[in-house]
Amino acid sequence: QQPVQSPQAVILREGEDAVINCSSSKALYSVHWYRQKHGEAPVFLMILLKGGEQKGHDKISASFNEKKQQSSLYLTASQLSYSGTYFCGTELRDYKLSFGAGTTVTVRA
Amino acid sequence: DTEVTQTPKHLVMGMTNKKSLKCEQHMGHRAMYWYKQKAKKPPELMFVYSYEKLSINESVPSRFSPECPNSSLLNLHLHALQPEDSALYLCASSQEAGPQEQFFGPGTRLTVL
Repeated sequence: QQPVQSPQAVILREGEDAVINCSSSKALYSVHWYRQKHGEAPVFLMILLKGGEQKGHDKISASFNEKKQQSSLYLTASQLSYSGTYFCGTELRDYKLSFGAGTTVTVRA
Repeated sequence: DTEVTQTPKHLVMGMTNKKSLKCEQHMGHRAMYWYKQKAKKPPELMFVYSYEKLSINESVPSRFSPECPNSSLLNLHLHALQPEDSALYLCASSQEAGPQEQFFGPGTRLTVL
């Protein structure tokens, strides 16, 4: 069951903020966030377990609203290195990770 | 060593060929995964191995045959593939199956002629 990600793409200037959303129609066990740069493998950013927690990694943070089965990824004070495609991955209790369609983030100087 | 390695990097094969993709990790991870990724699409889960046993097969056609000879190694045997199977094949590993960070290898770019 593929989660729904939005927006499809976002263009930012350095220092600007952005939010990427991920939602599911099923009860989630966990939400993963990965970033993939062109021609490279996906790289893990963070994982959120059900319980409505919020996590942070440098200036990238995420929240998980268990009641709404939604997660949001927050890019704060974006840097050029933040460019790439961000995928949310959702896991039900079956341990199968299903990725959303991705959000392409372009950060310009 | 926090690396997952995959060989070969590129593979071109005909529809009648038999080939294998190889994935290796030395992080002591007990779960290993195969994903397929088409251009501009997300990775799609194919297989999950947990403690060297196949635990998940996402209804993948039998022309793809996974094998886990030991805890560090994962193979994907390919036979009689179709042109639509051309894609990037990613291997990943995690400490255990479940809600864990997955470490991805660089992938094998497969072209089926």
